[in-house]
Amino acid sequence: EVQLVESGGGLIQPGGSLRLSCVASGFSVNNKYMSWVRQAPGKGLEWVSCVYGGGSTFHADSVKGRFTLSRDNSKNTLSLQMDTLRAEDTAVYYCVDQPWNGGYWGQGILVTVSS
Amino acid sequence: DIQMTQSPSSLSASVGDRVTITCRASQVIRTHLAWIQQKPGKAPKSLIYDASSLQSGVPLKFTGSGSGTDFSLTINNLQPEDSATYYCQQYNTFPWTFGQGTKVEIK
Repeated sequence: EVQLVESGGGLIQPGGSLRLSCVASGFSVNNKYMSWVRQAPGKGLEWVSCVYGGGSTFHADSVKGRFTLSRDNSKNTLSLQMDTLRAEDTAVYYCVDQPWNGGYWGQGILVTVSS
Repeated sequence: DIQMTQSPSSLSASVGDRVTITCRASQVIRTHLAWIQQKPGKAPKSLIYDASSLQSGVPLKFTGSGSGTDFSLTINNLQPEDSATYYCQQYNTFPWTFGQGTKVEIK
């Protein structure tokens, strides 16, 4: 069975850091386009970051310079390091497989940035 | 960035109806378009990729079409379990972007 399981969310003060993890099972993340997508409370979906190919990454302008995405093929895991967090980063964060040949979504993890 | 515009923003239809949602891209994206379903309080689920290919296990009642800048998602024989918000997403060019969503309700 294919699964993506996120962890690492929680309540963090503005300016703080969090590291989200996503463990994949049932398929390999190696050489796949793997993304993080977030959804602020009551809002639509926002694409955040993607790792692809040999480890190249691309980030939305809203998180560029603050978020770092990495992939560990040996552990079949993605990690999203989120620094200098802002209130507007508050959202449910989803780990997402590439849209073609799969398209799997994790169950999501809540990140709340508040003092 | 490529803007994705969905219409309508919401619709209400009866059981058994056929409904169509449209999605327009601000630039040509070939067929690099996905449709995603999100039921209230649940994680999104991918329905269609490459504009018209069904993900494994998705019922044939969902059909996608289009290329270039104009796309559509049709739901045949609407059922109560189809009540959800539907998003289009382009993956032709980074940053990948989503439409604002279309909320489908059952009368």
